[in-house]
Amino acid sequence: GAGVSQSPSNKVTEKGKDVELRCDPISGHTALYWYRQRLGQGLEFLIYFQGNSAPDKSGLPSDRFSAERTGESVSTLTIQRTQQEDSAVYLCASSSRAKTTGEQFFGPGTRLTVL
Amino acid sequence: GEDVEQSLFLSVREGDSSVINCTYTDSSSTYLYWYKQEPGAGLQLLTYIFSNMDMKQDQRLTVLLNKKDKHLSLRIADTQTGDSAIYFCAESTGGFKTIFGAGTRLFVKA
Repeated sequence: GAGVSQSPSNKVTEKGKDVELRCDPISGHTALYWYRQRLGQGLEFLIYFQGNSAPDKSGLPSDRFSAERTGESVSTLTIQRTQQEDSAVYLCASSSRAKTTGEQFFGPGTRLTVL
Repeated sequence: GEDVEQSLFLSVREGDSSVINCTYTDSSSTYLYWYKQEPGAGLQLLTYIFSNMDMKQDQRLTVLLNKKDKHLSLRIADTQTGDSAIYFCAESTGGFKTIFGAGTRLFVKA
């Protein structure tokens, strides 16, 4: 009965380096979402995966951001050539098609700090 | 486009009622949600209301929906210090895309 897990919990990197953030959704959840939450701000939608359909990438802020998901399992969010403005908490969530309310289950987030 | 707006801060005394307000723009919204985020944690669904309902009550929580004005509120009765958190209003049209507001930070003074 594990929830959504994310790793690492904290990541400090230097400007210009690439980072990979990982999300393990709840088993059986077909939908997976990535959000960005800047300090003191709300959730910014980044990308959404639904099963084997093409992902909705409409929220990715630039081509430095990309995400992958194989089937209905783990997802990786990659940020290339990180900038200081990328510093934020990156939240992952998953949901089940079987739950018609569309409730999303969130992980604890990865706090990214770009120096 | 779709948008969800809510005030950023609310401060109440312990024992008082808190009312957090939200407005949304998508008239085809099917579900409206309140999520709670405690410090250092992800969001957790607190309650939701289906768009054909006007009110939903769950223990200390009361959700009111005015569909005509696209206004949603969350009332917390007998607010406790443990209720201090960020409360996010969100809406979806029944698909999987959910639009979140910026969150209302609730401060409860002892």
